[in-house]
Amino acid sequence: SAVISQKPSRDICQRGTSLTIQCQVDSQVTMMFWYRQQPGQSLTLIATANQGSEATYESGFVIDKFPISRPNLTFSTLTVSNMSPEDSSIYLCSVAGGTGVPNEQFFGPGTRLTVL
Amino acid sequence: DQQVKQNSPSLSVQEGRISILNCDYTNSMFDYFLWYKKYPAEGPTFLISISSIKDKNEDGRFTVFLNKSAKHLSLHIVPSQPGDSAVYFCAASARNNDMRFGAGTRLTVKP
Repeated sequence: SAVISQKPSRDICQRGTSLTIQCQVDSQVTMMFWYRQQPGQSLTLIATANQGSEATYESGFVIDKFPISRPNLTFSTLTVSNMSPEDSSIYLCSVAGGTGVPNEQFFGPGTRLTVL
Repeated sequence: DQQVKQNSPSLSVQEGRISILNCDYTNSMFDYFLWYKKYPAEGPTFLISISSIKDKNEDGRFTVFLNKSAKHLSLHIVPSQPGDSAVYFCAASARNNDMRFGAGTRLTVKP
């Protein structure tokens, strides 16, 4: 299984500012994903981070609001831009398992973001 | 649209008893289902899965049942232990690997 770390683990930010979240994996992985979990809600896929090309965003999420970088096979960043209180969530990165279990993903510990 | 629903936000059971966590889905294209467990301040971890060609999968104390006609699956934990206290997420995916999660059920197992 992959070991995934995220920075920061939590942050409190002012509205209108931006925060970049880092995701580091201990091995090279092809598929990396970014999720959001708003309070009381399910995990929602924001985008798939593609190495060497633009991220693939899900419906309702746009690059201007959530720019993503994937410079190599072990690292990705998600930026939450021009934040508002509605962006207060837990943000998680994950990687595809590669263990033979279809669709298994390994998740990072998450970044708890509070926007005031 | 919420294609995967966990209608019970919380469940409390006594140690040694059975815990039953339920999940319903709406998309008939889903063909693979997973359960994840999440402890506080940690990311979700994979627990058990089931393919749509099966109706039951068992792994130790954990069993997942799938009723395709009812679009319903459940996770049974028996016997429940205090260390099982966590949030459990149901997830479903179709062939394109697009995975949808439920909102989670917080299980508390009382000693």
